[in-house]
Amino acid sequence: AQRVTQPEKLLSVFKGAPVELKCNYSYSGSPELFWYVQYSRQRLQLLLRHISRESIKGFTADLNKGETSFHLKKPFAQEEDSAMYYCALRPQGGKLIFGQGTELSVKP
Amino acid sequence: NAGVTQTPKFQVLKTGQSMTLQCAQDMNHEYMSWYRQDPGMGLRLIHYSVGAGITDQGEVPNGYNVSRSTTEDFPLRLLSAAPSQTSVYFCASSSPRQNYGYTFGSGTRLTVV
Repeated sequence: AQRVTQPEKLLSVFKGAPVELKCNYSYSGSPELFWYVQYSRQRLQLLLRHISRESIKGFTADLNKGETSFHLKKPFAQEEDSAMYYCALRPQGGKLIFGQGTELSVKP
Repeated sequence: NAGVTQTPKFQVLKTGQSMTLQCAQDMNHEYMSWYRQDPGMGLRLIHYSVGAGITDQGEVPNGYNVSRSTTEDFPLRLLSAAPSQTSVYFCASSSPRQNYGYTFGSGTRLTVV
């Protein structure tokens, strides 16, 4: 089965604290994974993809095939990071499967 | 570049009515998809297309039809609206040329009463 699981519905941290949003996937093949972000009242935006091994807005994510995880991390959270974050898996072709999403709330 | 354009932004339907949600992209993307977003359920794939004339079902296709007669357009049809179809609908497009990073529309908020 192809599945993406984000175990936390809500993650609340204080400004300056480290953040880790968890994502686990289920897929028998070689996965392509993405993180998307949705700020309040805005459309979803691509944050980063594992294939690029990039850092966007201070966020990074490492694919761990042994643990089938693709956790999103940021060392020092900012208030403007408050948003919904979605992990997504592209198993094949153009299909993209999303997790349930995690709402990140960064308090001052 | 307009990107992905969805119309309408808001719609209220009565149970049993039919309607079409429009989606157009001007990026010459091969792939297009429709998702619904519900609280606590994330985004669920309704239908997707890998090119003009080719469509396939996603996770929750029942009650919805799609067609892809051109590369640019991918309308979603609700055949007989039900309250369970109250949701926010997102259209998205992608291309292998961009490493499959999907571009999303602004969404259509649909209420079925």
